[in-house]
Amino acid sequence: KNQVEQSPQSLIILEGKNCTLQCNYTVSPFSNLRWYKQDTGRGPVSLTIMTFSENTKSNGRYTATLDADTKQSSLHITASQLSDSASYICVVSPYNAGNMLTFGGGTRLMVKP
Amino acid sequence: GAVVSQHPSRVICKSGTSVKIECRSLDFQATTMFWYRQFPKQSLMLMATSNEGSKATYEQGVEKDKFLINHASLTLSTLTVTSAHPEDSSFYICSAAPGGGTQYFGPGTRLLVL
Repeated sequence: KNQVEQSPQSLIILEGKNCTLQCNYTVSPFSNLRWYKQDTGRGPVSLTIMTFSENTKSNGRYTATLDADTKQSSLHITASQLSDSASYICVVSPYNAGNMLTFGGGTRLMVKP
Repeated sequence: GAVVSQHPSRVICKSGTSVKIECRSLDFQATTMFWYRQFPKQSLMLMATSNEGSKATYEQGVEKDKFLINHASLTLSTLTVTSAHPEDSSFYICSAAPGGGTQYFGPGTRLLVL
């Protein structure tokens, strides 16, 4: 069964600090892996997308990495801001599955002043 | 580009009534739309996949007669929660795919059934 597991489930950090969120997956092969940010009461918004052959992708203070050998991805947030408080979801698109997605359980990040 | 809207953003209804939620792709045509449900502190759970002009495909455990889906055009899909009960209270999110595999998510609809 295709699975996507994220850790930690929740995280509290101080404003200005860095943090790294983890995503382990068993989906293989896959078309792409995305990280989404979901603010409370809002829909997910795509932060990064990586194909199987990519190792890293940046979007401002967000940097995603992908290790296809170990089936792990991480999302690194630099110089955190209060507005980074949200849930971060790792989503994998199985190869040849059309539009279907496999979602991780998410990491709830809280940035405190 | 690739904006998806949902209406309403929040709805409160009495138990036993029906509620309709609209999902629109504003600047692209979506051959496929998806409906998700999200309970507090949980990730999105796929309810059904709808293709324009054909019947929706429901995930296991989702009652098709309770959650009616209509994908009447390439820019509009509706989800109707019939005879809503308090346990149907949840956050409903739609997404739309223009055919290339990428899903674009709507902002969600908060449903509270009293």
